Amino acid sequence: GEDVEQSLFLSVREGDSSVINCTYTDSSSTYLYWYKQEPGAGLQLLTYIFSNMDMKQDQRLTVLLNKKDKHLSLRIADTQTGDSAIYFCAERTRGGADGLTFGKGTHLIIQP
Amino acid sequence: GAVVSQHPSWVICKSGTSVKIECRSLDFQATTMFWYRQFPKQSLMLMATSNEGSKATYEQGVEKDKFLINHASLTLSTLTVTSAHPEDSSFYICSHPAPREDTQYFGPGTRLTVL
Repeated sequence: GEDVEQSLFLSVREGDSSVINCTYTDSSSTYLYWYKQEPGAGLQLLTYIFSNMDMKQDQRLTVLLNKKDKHLSLRIADTQTGDSAIYFCAERTRGGADGLTFGKGTHLIIQP
Repeated sequence: GAVVSQHPSWVICKSGTSVKIECRSLDFQATTMFWYRQFPKQSLMLMATSNEGSKATYEQGVEKDKFLINHASLTLSTLTVTSAHPEDSSFYICSHPAPREDTQYFGPGTRLTVL
């Protein structure tokens, strides 16, 4: 099965908060990441959290980590049309310079 | 600004030909680079880890003879898709570890279409 799972779509109204959820299976995850991908563009790192933390806030972005349930969420406050993109959750489980395991991505759709 | 570049950004080739994709680290000497593949509406899948001066490490299920990786310098890694077929059509993305943060910087990707 998938190592990292996300819902494929999320639709929110402009100005509301968006909450994108992610679950992972590997309890040895060290870092968990949120990346943003706009159409035709590369991946942009939004934020990341170390596995011994449970929350991280950066301006409009809030990351919550429930390590017991292996659940990660990204909350975007005051969602704007420019936030429309695909958001990928990713984990790094092995030490050192190792690749990441990505979810399939959540397509965030903003309604006017 | 961009820290990882890829060239070309898109390429169309005939079935059976080989295509080389370059990944450059613009401001960092990267002993390790990563190559990912992303099919439409799918997640990024790690293909291989490119190691400067030594052989690449391939993920399970990735044919090393088909996807040749060369990491000849600390700023350049290349991925050559040999004898490309339509099923190799995908978005190929490279990355390298960030120097001070425990994350990775990604390139803009290369769209490969094999006819």
